[in-house]
Amino acid sequence: QKEVEQNSGPLSVPEGAIASLNCTYSDRGSQSFFWYRQYSGKSPELIMSIYSNGDKEDGRFTAQLNKASQYVSLLIRDSQPSDSATYLCAVGPGANRLAFGKGNQVVVIP
Amino acid sequence: DTAVSQTPKYLVTQMGNDKSIKCEQNLGHDTMYWYKQDSKKFLKIMFSYNNKELIINETVPNRFSPKSPDKAHLNLHINSLELGDSAVYFCASSQEWSETDTQYFGPGTRLTVL
Repeated sequence: QKEVEQNSGPLSVPEGAIASLNCTYSDRGSQSFFWYRQYSGKSPELIMSIYSNGDKEDGRFTAQLNKASQYVSLLIRDSQPSDSATYLCAVGPGANRLAFGKGNQVVVIP
Repeated sequence: DTAVSQTPKYLVTQMGNDKSIKCEQNLGHDTMYWYKQDSKKFLKIMFSYNNKELIINETVPNRFSPKSPDKAHLNLHINSLELGDSAVYFCASSQEWSETDTQYFGPGTRLTVL
């Protein structure tokens, strides 16, 4: 069974700090990696996708992928209260066959 | 204009009843999905349709039956509802059956089975 693990508990960060989220996956054949943000009571929305090893930056967000170690991470720089949400890691052979992690809650403290 | 819409937003019903959830997308996408998010926020794929054809059917009880009357609609019918069916059900769509296309999620339907 393909698993996506997001094990760390709720993450509290001061406003302006860096939030770091980690995700590991079991299927070595995975090729597509995504981070979704989900506000409480709302639907998931895509914030980052990454397909190759290394870093990918988009604004204040940086996704990091290491296929050899089977992990993908998300950094949120200059965290804002509006970043307070649950972040879902999704992994698959493609965007059309995703397995999601259970999510990490981020709370940005003003 | 809502890109992916679902009705109803909330659904409260008794065990044993049959209910349906409707999904419509106005994005012109070919592919649609149903996901279930349980109380622990775990989001899991249930079904995927491409051009009205079933592509993915995960291990879901056959009490759940999707139906796609056209590319813009993917409905979910649930027979003999059980307590464990209580969850938020999300519909999503993507441009095509592709390994890179972004999925756009609907607002969700919160189903509560009493």
